[in-house]
Amino acid sequence: KNQVEQSPQSLIILEGKNCTLQCNYTVSPFSNLRWYKQDTGRGPVSLTIMTFSENTKSNGRYTATLDADTKQSSLHITASQLSDSASYICVVSSNSNSGYALNFGKGTSLLVTP
Amino acid sequence: NAGVTQTPKFQVLKTGQSMTLQCAQDMNHNSMYWYRQDPGMGLRLIYYSASEGTTDKGEVPNGYNVSRLNKREFSLRLESAAPSQTSVYFCASSAPRTAYEQYFGPGTRLTVT
Repeated sequence: KNQVEQSPQSLIILEGKNCTLQCNYTVSPFSNLRWYKQDTGRGPVSLTIMTFSENTKSNGRYTATLDADTKQSSLHITASQLSDSASYICVVSSNSNSGYALNFGKGTSLLVTP
Repeated sequence: NAGVTQTPKFQVLKTGQSMTLQCAQDMNHNSMYWYRQDPGMGLRLIYYSASEGTTDKGEVPNGYNVSRLNKREFSLRLESAAPSQTSVYFCASSAPRTAYEQYFGPGTRLTVT
């Protein structure tokens, strides 16, 4: 069964500090992996998308890495800001004969405090 | 360019009542989706429409119906609402040329009492 597991479930850090969120998956066949940011009361917004051949991608202070061999991804946030407080969702896509499917993680809730 | 819009933003229903959630996108995307999001569960796919005129069930379709009215609009209907359908509902759209990257609407918070 295709699964996406994220850790930690929640995280509290001080403003200005760095943090790393983890995503492990068992999705097959793998198509791509995305990280979304979801602010409270809003819809998810895409941060990065990586295909099998990409092992790192940055979007400002957000850097995602992908190890397709170990089926792990991480999202590193540098110099956190209060506006980084949100839920971060890992989504792994598969594309097989039965169609295209998205597999969602449950998210990591990040709180950045002053 | 408004992206994906949803109406209403909030709704309270009594058990057994019916309602339709509306979704529209102005990005000329072929595919549209309806998700529900519950605490601790993550996003779960209810129904999707790969293109105008087609709809398919997702992970949790029971108790819902959908209509792909045209390329822009995709509605979700609850015929007889149940408390278990209390959730936040998100509509999304995507296009193949963007590796199916999905763009989400702001959500509809539905409470069924």
